[in-house]
Amino acid sequence: GEDVEQSLFLSVREGDSSVINCTYTDSSSTYLYWYKQEPGAGLQLLTYIFSNMDMKQDQRLTVLLNKKDKHLSLRIADTQTGDSAIYFCAEINNQAGTALIFGKGTTLSVSS
Amino acid sequence: SAVISQKPSRDICQRGTSLTIQCQVDSQVTMMFWYRQQPGQSLTLIATANQGSEATYESGFVIDKFPISRPNLTFSTLTVSNMSPEDSSIYLCSVRQEADTQYFGPGTRLTVL
Repeated sequence: GEDVEQSLFLSVREGDSSVINCTYTDSSSTYLYWYKQEPGAGLQLLTYIFSNMDMKQDQRLTVLLNKKDKHLSLRIADTQTGDSAIYFCAEINNQAGTALIFGKGTTLSVSS
Repeated sequence: SAVISQKPSRDICQRGTSLTIQCQVDSQVTMMFWYRQQPGQSLTLIATANQGSEATYESGFVIDKFPISRPNLTFSTLTVSNMSPEDSSIYLCSVRQEADTQYFGPGTRLTVL
């Protein structure tokens, strides 16, 4: 079955870049997503990438997709204390009509 | 993007009782889902709420425990029945608006004593 794996914790200093990694097993995935969950809040869709793309950039966020290795990463440039949150990677095989499959989430801690 | 609201935002309930959670979307959406996020865990899909027909439940979730209604394209309810402390979780409503985007409500934080 499908599986999405993430490292559990990442700690960075303010102003540095953060890179959160994710691996997935479903080679038929059509879209891959990054969600952010701040303490006590719901999930915010940060960005997503279609499976035929290698890279997507949106302001401080860069998503890289290596489809051969089934590896997805989220880079946050100039990380701020407000970026401290849990980041979830998720994938979907849209053609199969399935719902999102989530990783366990990476807790990003940003120190000043 | 769709704006999703949930009621209640949180509740503390006694075991053996039931709670109905409401999800309202500001636009018509084809697909609505209910997820559960247990403390410190990731999200698990409970069911897909189908308009005009019975919900489609994932393995491990049954209609008797989590009855779902979807009377129209903007509204759904999830009931957590005969609650036990193990049901303490965040319950999230989610919608898929276009083929490539899925949004989540703010969640309902349930504590069962």
